Amino acid sequence: SAVISQKPSRDICQRGTSLTIQCQVDSQVTMMFWYRQQPGQSLTLIATANQGSEATYESGFVIDKFPISRPNLTFSTLTVSNMSPEDSSIYLCSPRDRHNEQFFGPGTRLTVL
Amino acid sequence: AQSVSQHNHHVILSEAASLELGCNYSYGGTVNLFWYVQYPGQHLQLLLKYFSGDPLVKGIKGFEAEFIKSKFSFNLRKPSVQWSDTAEYFCAVNVNSNYQLIWGAGTKLIIKP
Repeated sequence: SAVISQKPSRDICQRGTSLTIQCQVDSQVTMMFWYRQQPGQSLTLIATANQGSEATYESGFVIDKFPISRPNLTFSTLTVSNMSPEDSSIYLCSPRDRHNEQFFGPGTRLTVL
Repeated sequence: AQSVSQHNHHVILSEAASLELGCNYSYGGTVNLFWYVQYPGQHLQLLLKYFSGDPLVKGIKGFEAEFIKSKFSFNLRKPSVQWSDTAEYFCAVNVNSNYQLIWGAGTKLIIKP
């Protein structure tokens, strides 16, 4: 199974600022998914980030608010821009390996004041 | 649109009771099916998966799930639960390897010691 590390693990940010979350995987993966998970709720897919192509965003999420980079097969970043308290959540990157399994790390716990 | 339904949002059982958590999906074609578990304060872990073959799939920690194609179901079972099984359980489906996972809302399982 893939090992995922995200930085930061948690942060408290002020309204109107931006935060970039880094996701590092210990193996090369083609597909990378970014989710957010509100406490006690299921996962909501933000976007799919494949190396070498533009990220594909789900309904309700836009590139200006959540720009994503995927410079290589082991790394990706998600930026939460112009944050508001409604953006408080756990943000998760999830790589999918060649066996079609998705893996999760502990995520980034974001609190926006 | 594809969807995944987990009928029980909260389940409370005593230790040694048998467990069955329901999962139904809406898609008539070939699917890959997953159960993930999230223990308190921990990240999501894969419990088991079904891609093809024997519809009765065995996973970690004594869990199993049965794929019943005619019922569009993939119910999770465990014959005798333990206090340590207290967690949230998520069913997820993808309709092909290039597609996102569709997640159920999750079932919070509490085991009384």
